[in-house]
Amino acid sequence: DQQVKQNSPSLSVQEGRISILNCDYTNSMFDYFLWYKKYPAEGPTFLISISSIKDKNEDGRFTVFLNKSAKHLSLHIVPSQPGDSAVYFCAASGYSSGSARQLTFGSGTQLTVLP
Amino acid sequence: GAGVSQSPSNKVTEKGKDVELRCDPISGHTALYWYRQSLGQGLEFLIYFQGNSAPDKSGLPSDRFSAERTGGSVSTLTIQRTQQEDSAVYLCASSLGSATTNEQFFGPGTRLTVL
Repeated sequence: DQQVKQNSPSLSVQEGRISILNCDYTNSMFDYFLWYKKYPAEGPTFLISISSIKDKNEDGRFTVFLNKSAKHLSLHIVPSQPGDSAVYFCAASGYSSGSARQLTFGSGTQLTVLP
Repeated sequence: GAGVSQSPSNKVTEKGKDVELRCDPISGHTALYWYRQSLGQGLEFLIYFQGNSAPDKSGLPSDRFSAERTGGSVSTLTIQRTQQEDSAVYLCASSLGSATTNEQFFGPGTRLTVL
C-alpha cells in the first residue's frame, strides 16, 4: 500500500512556463514533507521542504504548497528551465515504528523542460 | 567537502550468491540510512543507524538482508543468497542527526543486477 503517491510518471513543460508536480499521501501521521530532485546516475538531492504547520514554503523559483485536509502537496517551479529536467520525488516523514524518521518516497515524476 | 560515496557503482551477480555493498557517509554525520529503488518504484526504506543506538531494521524485506555500521562511520549492506527480485539501485544517505529538519544527503547508489 503506497503511502505517498505521485500519479503522473512524466510531465513536459515549455521553458519559461510553470511546472506543477503533484503528490498525495494517505498517512495522517506524516508531519514533514520534502521534494528531492534526481539526475541520472546520481543520488537524489534535497530541493525544498515544508512542515505540516505551514501551507506554503517558497525558495527562489520553487514553491511547495501543502493542503492537509486533502492530504495533497504540490511543487511549483516558475519559470521552468531546461536544467530542471530531472526526476522529482515527493517524500514524507513522521514518527512511526521505532525512532527512525525515515522518509517514505513516492515513485517520482520525470520532468522534461523543453527549450 | 566529500559527499556520501558508495561502492561498487555497479554489481552484477548470479542468483544465490552473496553481495556486499559499501557506504561511506559524510564525516561527522551520525545518522545513516539505506534505501533501495526498484524499477519504476520510489525509494524504499531498508534500515537506519543513529549513533550507537540499535539500528531500526523495520524496512529489511527478509532475513537475507543485513547491515552493519562499524565505528559509527562506514556501513555495509549484505544480501545473502541473492534473488532476481533483489535487483535494484541501493542508495545510502547520511544526516547530521535524526531530527526532522536534518537533511539526508544521498550517495550515487549501487546498481545491483541479479541474473
